[in-house]
Amino acid sequence: QKEVEQDPGPLSVPEGAIVSLNCTYSNSAFQYFMWYRQYSRKGPELLMYTYSSGNKEDGRFTAQVDKSSKYISLFIRDSQPSDSATYLCAIGGYQKVTFGTGTKLQVIP
Amino acid sequence: KAGVTQTPRYLIKTRGQQVTLSCSPISGHRSVSWYQQTPGQGLQFLFEYFSETQRNKGNFPGRFSGRQFSNSRSEMNVSTLELGDSALYLCASSLGSVVDEQYFGPGTRLTVT
Repeated sequence: QKEVEQDPGPLSVPEGAIVSLNCTYSNSAFQYFMWYRQYSRKGPELLMYTYSSGNKEDGRFTAQVDKSSKYISLFIRDSQPSDSATYLCAIGGYQKVTFGTGTKLQVIP
Repeated sequence: KAGVTQTPRYLIKTRGQQVTLSCSPISGHRSVSWYQQTPGQGLQFLFEYFSETQRNKGNFPGRFSGRQFSNSRSEMNVSTLELGDSALYLCASSLGSVVDEQYFGPGTRLTVT
């Protein structure tokens, strides 16, 4: 079983839709949860960083962590064509971080 | 504040050759990590350096090595290149640890022919 599982997509949505991106993980000791956005031919860009369970909101983005289910989500409200990218989750603890393989998102105008 | 910079951005090498990639972290960041990204495997951790010492290492062969200088700049070296080493090599910096907020550079695209 992989430490972090992420649906690769691709996920295609119309502009303005609410997008839900998800990851599951296996190690319950993980405490740090991150979401990155990566445009084609660019390095990943940190979007959200959370510690422990709960929700964190930043503009149109909301990160949600459910440690009891070992499940994290990123919600994008009012999605825009500029949100079209690959989204990577990353989960860490004890000086180690593991990345998901990424979900490719396309927002259609 | 300037972001993470990596040089060169693109490289084409032949099997058997060696290559050195360079990374300059964000000012004040002391942890520098290197990752290999391929379509099939995603983002794979290579190693992390902190205060000129390798603190963590991923599951890669000894052909992959790195170092960090006193100004936190880092280099990674791949010797005896193989076709499978073709990938995007990413450097990330953070204040103190890989579990802190990591900021990535644009990457070096290495093609081995």
